[in-house]
Amino acid sequence: AQKVTQAQTEISVVEKEDVTLDCVYETRDTTYYLFWYKQPPSGELVFLIRRNSFDEQNEISGRYSWNFQKSTSSFNFTITASQVVDSAVYFCALSGSYNNNDMRFGAGTRLTVKP
Amino acid sequence: SQTIHQWPATLVQPVGSPLSLECTVEGTSNPNLYWYRQAAGRGLQLLFYSVGIGQISSEVPQNLSASRPQDRQFILSSKKLLLSDSGFYLCAWSVNGGGEQYFGPGTRLTVT
Repeated sequence: AQKVTQAQTEISVVEKEDVTLDCVYETRDTTYYLFWYKQPPSGELVFLIRRNSFDEQNEISGRYSWNFQKSTSSFNFTITASQVVDSAVYFCALSGSYNNNDMRFGAGTRLTVKP
Repeated sequence: SQTIHQWPATLVQPVGSPLSLECTVEGTSNPNLYWYRQAAGRGLQLLFYSVGIGQISSEVPQNLSASRPQDRQFILSSKKLLLSDSGFYLCAWSVNGGGEQYFGPGTRLTVT
């Protein structure tokens, strides 16, 4: 069975601090996909990134970066120089199927960035 | 570009009443469609998914049902709501190949 664990329930930082959100996953699939989503107070989930299991390259997009390590089954998300607008709940998700009918979400991490 | 719509945005219904939530997608053909529920302060639970018109798969047995009468329309229904049906309902779409899912704005349902 697939499982995603986000051990950090809530994180609070002061603006401009760097923050890392942890994600650990479990799967028996050899091919799988990992995702991060942002849920601002409005409620809509916003897609941030997708990573395939066969591509372990880390990725950077502006202040966001992702560290995928198959050896530790982790897919961590770092926000550099955090801003108040980064305050949201962040979800890590895992899918092992071609049509994503088995996507499993972690419980989410609530990030609060204080001015 | 693709867009996904959900309505209503909020809904307050008494226990035992029927439910119909609608989701439509624009700008894509033959998408995979999904219904999720998010309880307060919790993660997302996949309720139903559909890979084509009339093809519905249920992940969790409950008093909810889903239908896909048209390629880009996905409906979530119930004949009699329970208090436990309260939550935030999200519709999403994706394409095959492990593609990411794109979510609608959601419907906040309160059953009283």
